[in-house]
Amino acid sequence: AQTVTQSQPEMSVQEAETVTLSCTYDTSESDYYLFWYKQPPSRQMILVIRQEAYKQQNATENRFSVNFQKAAKSFSLKISDSQLGDAAMYFCAYRRESNTDKLIFGTGTRLQVFP
Amino acid sequence: EAEVAQSPRYKITEKSQAVAFWCDPISGHATLYWYRQILGQGLELLVQFQDESVVDDSQLPKDRFSAERLKGVDSTLKIQPAELGDSAMYLCASSLRRSRDQETQYFGPGTRLLVL
Repeated sequence: AQTVTQSQPEMSVQEAETVTLSCTYDTSESDYYLFWYKQPPSRQMILVIRQEAYKQQNATENRFSVNFQKAAKSFSLKISDSQLGDAAMYFCAYRRESNTDKLIFGTGTRLQVFP
Repeated sequence: EAEVAQSPRYKITEKSQAVAFWCDPISGHATLYWYRQILGQGLELLVQFQDESVVDDSQLPKDRFSAERLKGVDSTLKIQPAELGDSAMYLCASSLRRSRDQETQYFGPGTRLLVL
């Protein structure tokens, strides 16, 4: 069975600095998707970034980028120039390539941003 | 921008009572998901619909939970009777899922349930 592990329950960063959140996963599939979702306090979960496993190039969305290491089954999220609004729970999620398969989530990392 | 709607946002109930949550996905989204998020833990899929059909309810406690999406649009999740351990956030999500590039799930604001 596929699993997603986020080993950092909490992280903190100074405003304008860079922080990296870790995620590892376990799968025997070769084709799948990986996601980072952000859940701000009392607000809904939103997609930050996604990566298709068949793509070698790391995904980037403005200040958010990933380091996708397929062989190591690692999918870390880098947030550059951190802002106060980046404070949230961040969830890493996996989905295999299938018409019906579900997202499998990690337990999340709470990111605090200090001014 | 279209969003997933959920109601109520908060629900307090007593043990053994019945509760129901409603979700309206983004228009045109064929796939609808109900997740449960217990404080400090990740999300657990309870049920997944493709149009009006259930495609995965393996983690749904069927003795007390039920879900329906009769017309393939909005959906209702019911718990009867509620137990203390059901206190959690219940999140609904939807996706187009008609092609490889349309699998991103969009989440609603959730319903926070407290069972006393």
